[in-house]
Amino acid sequence: DQQVKQNSPSLSVQEGRISILNCDYTNSMFDYFLWYKKYPAEGPTFLISISSIKDKNEDGRFTVFLNKSAKHLSLHIVPSQPGDSAVYFCAARPSGTYKYIFGTGTRLKVLA
Amino acid sequence: DVKVTQSSRYLVKRTGEKVFLECVQDMDHENMFWYRQDPGLGLRLIYFSYDVKMKEKGDIPEGYSVSREKKERFSLILESASTNQTSMYLCASSTISLSTDTQYFGPGTRLTVL
Repeated sequence: DQQVKQNSPSLSVQEGRISILNCDYTNSMFDYFLWYKKYPAEGPTFLISISSIKDKNEDGRFTVFLNKSAKHLSLHIVPSQPGDSAVYFCAARPSGTYKYIFGTGTRLKVLA
Repeated sequence: DVKVTQSSRYLVKRTGEKVFLECVQDMDHENMFWYRQDPGLGLRLIYFSYDVKMKEKGDIPEGYSVSREKKERFSLILESASTNQTSMYLCASSTISLSTDTQYFGPGTRLTVL
């Protein structure tokens, strides 16, 4: 039972345009969400987080939106750059724990 | 800057061998985690430790054990390696803050079991 789903395995975007990566979850008890970027043969790198008490968090080119009623999370990257090409994972934390449940990842390719 | 290091980047072992994967963090974090990453399956939690000598099973603990004798070090042990344990293994650490909770990952160990 996949509690955190990233339904798009891959996404291609032109350089300079917006990249939107989506994540759906099933457990309403998740209270904190993270996005990570991962290059091949490297560990995931933290990008941005959002608490369930917020609906938006912004950090430079990265913005995360949370729609609790739809149980949906999205990461917007504007403008997209070739160096953003990587696999992106969303992760969700059940309330009261330190453990995260990760999605299966979306491979983003930004075309120059 | 948080640093999480893993003892090997690449490892090749034979079926039945005992395998040790070591992870060290330098930020005095209380929590440490072992994941494996497989194509199409994302990151899956194997074991988690929230303090020295304390451990908790994750989603896929079968075939694995862990050891945390010192706060900065968390070891993953494959008692008898099998081919289905060929994977990328990732270690992470985090501090005990429910309000600003971020896991920091090491570079990973690519394990191949022949």
